[in-house]
Amino acid sequence: KQEVTQIPAALSVPEGENLVLNCSFTDSAIYNLQWFRQDPGKGLTSLLLIQSSQREQTSGRLNASLDKSSGRSTLYIAASQPGDSATYLCAVGGATNKLIFGTGTLLAVQP
Amino acid sequence: DTEVTQTPKHLVMGMTNKKSLKCEQHMGHRAMYWYKQKAKKPPELMFVYSYEKLSINESVPSRFSPECPNSSLLNLHLHALQPEDSALYLCASSQEQAGGYQPQHFGDGTRLSIL
Repeated sequence: KQEVTQIPAALSVPEGENLVLNCSFTDSAIYNLQWFRQDPGKGLTSLLLIQSSQREQTSGRLNASLDKSSGRSTLYIAASQPGDSATYLCAVGGATNKLIFGTGTLLAVQP
Repeated sequence: DTEVTQTPKHLVMGMTNKKSLKCEQHMGHRAMYWYKQKAKKPPELMFVYSYEKLSINESVPSRFSPECPNSSLLNLHLHALQPEDSALYLCASSQEQAGGYQPQHFGDGTRLSIL
């Protein structure tokens, strides 16, 4: 059974710092890995999707990498801003596009 | 603004009530999903529809009844819910289900409270 874990569970950083969020999964037979952000009481906003054949994806200040063989993904956020404060979730997708979500990282960027 | 619209945003109902949650998308997506999210927990998949047919039911109790009347609309009918069913219900869509390469786009959810 696929299990997805995110470390750390919570993170507080000063504005401007670069940071890395980690996601690990137990079954490497995935089709994709998607990173989301969730603001309190809101739905999920898709940030990046990495297909299983890819190593990384970039969007603006965000860069996500995928190492399928070791069951790991990282989300790198450059020059963090207070508006980046949210919960970040990774999710792995299989052949049926069923997503298994990680436990989330609550990020607080202090002004 | 999200491209997946869910209504209502909030719903309070008693255990004997019948209500429905609604989800719409106009992106031409052919796969639609219902997730349940308890406080401080990740979303958990409930149902998947592909081309208006139920593709996945994650052993959800029968008091939750999904319906996909057309390719743009997904409903979740609720009846005789329990207090532990209080949660944020999220709808998502993707271009296709098969192949597993399609990003899912989420709505803002319906916050459901069962009295």
